[in-house]
Amino acid sequence: NAGVTQTPKFQVLKTGQSMTLQCAQDMNHNSMYWYRQDPGMGLRLIYYSASEGTTDKGEVPNGYNVSRLNKREFSLRLESAAPSQTSVYFCASSEGGLAGVSYEQYFGPGTRLTVT
Amino acid sequence: RKEVEQDPGPFNVPEGATVAFNCTYSNSASQSFFWYRQDCRKEPKLLMSVYSSGNEDGRFTAQLNRASQYISLLIRDSKLSDSATYLCVVNFNTNAGKSTFGDGTTLTVKP
Repeated sequence: NAGVTQTPKFQVLKTGQSMTLQCAQDMNHNSMYWYRQDPGMGLRLIYYSASEGTTDKGEVPNGYNVSRLNKREFSLRLESAAPSQTSVYFCASSEGGLAGVSYEQYFGPGTRLTVT
Repeated sequence: RKEVEQDPGPFNVPEGATVAFNCTYSNSASQSFFWYRQDCRKEPKLLMSVYSSGNEDGRFTAQLNRASQYISLLIRDSKLSDSATYLCVVNFNTNAGKSTFGDGTTLTVKP
């Protein structure tokens, strides 16, 4: 049982390049989330998905797109990377679904992205 | 005003000390509360859920005061290994259990 996995662990991009961050969970969770964490700051929600086939914007969605490929996988895409997107990106999942029941979130190890 | 506010610290305490963190939240409809721990450059991990009646897990005690809209975490007999950032998390039980994280309180326990 691997929990939540993320790839890649590290990435350096040039301004304007695109890339997709991958996330997968093996806990049969309904909800999945993407966060970014800038140095010395808290987690900010980018997008989330209450269930397979649904996605919603979080606090800071501009410059990102997501795909809930199936129940296990939730990817985050940067279409045209900017230096302001330099951050650590965490994916998380929880049992909670559309009913809004709250459960704890389980996080992946993060992707450290630098945009030059 | 932020939805979830924490004192950022840092808190620097000697081993064996007792330390308490508070967290306030603005939405009175909040339903679920958690404390997470985050080690440097690692992912957050659940430390404990917070229940209305208060709950204890070894050296850690969490309490909820709905009337005043704050949550607390008490750590007794601090260990060096308790050094980390502690995140307060509040959930409004809507929209897929979307949570709001505080910015965290940093604790350093010194020998």
